[in-house]
Amino acid sequence: QKEVEQNSGPLSVPEGAIASLNCTYSDRVSQSFFWYRQYSGKSPELIMSIYSNGDKEDGRFTAQLNKASQYVSLLIRDSQPSDSATYLCAVRGTGFQKLVFGTGTRLLVSP
Amino acid sequence: NAGVTQTPKFQVLKTGQSMTLQCAQDMNHNSMYWYRQDPGMGLRLIYYSASEGTTDKGEVPNGYNVSRLNKREFSLRLESAAPSQTSVYFCASRPTSGDTNEQFFGPGTRLTVL
Repeated sequence: QKEVEQNSGPLSVPEGAIASLNCTYSDRVSQSFFWYRQYSGKSPELIMSIYSNGDKEDGRFTAQLNKASQYVSLLIRDSQPSDSATYLCAVRGTGFQKLVFGTGTRLLVSP
Repeated sequence: NAGVTQTPKFQVLKTGQSMTLQCAQDMNHNSMYWYRQDPGMGLRLIYYSASEGTTDKGEVPNGYNVSRLNKREFSLRLESAAPSQTSVYFCASRPTSGDTNEQFFGPGTRLTVL
């Protein structure tokens, strides 16, 4: 079992819709969770971090964390074509220094 | 601030050649990281340096060496390149205040080994 799992996609949504991206992780002691956005040919860019159960909102983005289910998600409201990218879920593992990344979900937002 | 910079941006090597990938950050971060990214494999940690003077192996260290030259610079060396090392290499750094584990990435080096 991979430590951090994501559906590779692509996830296709029309412009203006809500995109829902999901991630599960295996290490129950994980404490910090991150979503990175990566455009094709570019480096990952942090867009959300979440540390406690529940929802965290930042503009059109909402991160949701459920530690009991070992599940973290990212909702993108009013999706725009510029949101088309690969979204990487990252989890701080048992080593404080290290992040473990999922393989990413490719999101396509059509006009 | 330039953030995290990497050189070169592109490189083509022949099998058996050596090279060093350079990384520097101007954010006064203590921790620095080297990752490789391959299609379908995500980002995999090669080596990291928690602070100046220390380095530790990550998930895929074989075939690589690193040097933390000073607080700003963290280099990755391929002593004898192999086609399996064809990849995109990212350097990252992390602030040490609080318990945040945000990592900031450089633009990447695209390496092809023939």
